[in-house]
Amino acid sequence: DTAVSQTPKYLVTQMGNDKSIKCEQNLGHDTMYWYKQDSKKFLKIMFSYNNKELIINETVPNRFSPKSPDKAHLNLHINSLELGDSAVYFCASSLRPYREDGYTFGSGTRLTVV
Amino acid sequence: KQEVTQIPAALSVPEGENLVLNCSFTDSAIYNLQWFRQDPGKGLTSLLLIQSSQREQTSGRLNASLDKSSGRSTLYIAASQPGDSATYLCAVEDYGQNFVFGPGTRLSVLP
Repeated sequence: DTAVSQTPKYLVTQMGNDKSIKCEQNLGHDTMYWYKQDSKKFLKIMFSYNNKELIINETVPNRFSPKSPDKAHLNLHINSLELGDSAVYFCASSLRPYREDGYTFGSGTRLTVV
Repeated sequence: KQEVTQIPAALSVPEGENLVLNCSFTDSAIYNLQWFRQDPGKGLTSLLLIQSSQREQTSGRLNASLDKSSGRSTLYIAASQPGDSATYLCAVEDYGQNFVFGPGTRLSVLP
């Protein structure tokens, strides 16, 4: 299946832990994104990489660090997890970093910090 | 605060019918509007993207229109097929590259 796939789908962890969420796309897209679902249907952009280079870095705590080993992968590492980090995180990709291209989203990772 | 609604919530039609899905948004200050398809357990695939300056986009049997001033978009599916069965979501993107999604319309096309 051609798609954007995120792992894991669910992640429950204790405060203070460090965790990673992985994202892979096999669409041949150059640009990948991480979004946080802030409320029921609002996805706030966190980061964007184009061909392994960081192009968008919104105001997020520096405990969040994206890593793109190649243009098909964009992982999100979170250090010292806090209760407020609990949310659904979505990975997405687009052919190019221009906003006239459609996005493909993964199915989300539900992170619960206890 | 932007809100997006979709009507109907669910739709069941026989194969071959033409159908219309509706999307409304409250704030017309959008960058673009996209229609997505979601299959069970899968992510979202963009079907059509309409820039705020455009009125419609077409791809195959799909046609999406945008009336930004009235805060409405429609997705027209011609000659529906069982493979079209999925949840269809519309989403508006703001100038900050954030998205607000509608709740979706669950479509079933019966053979």
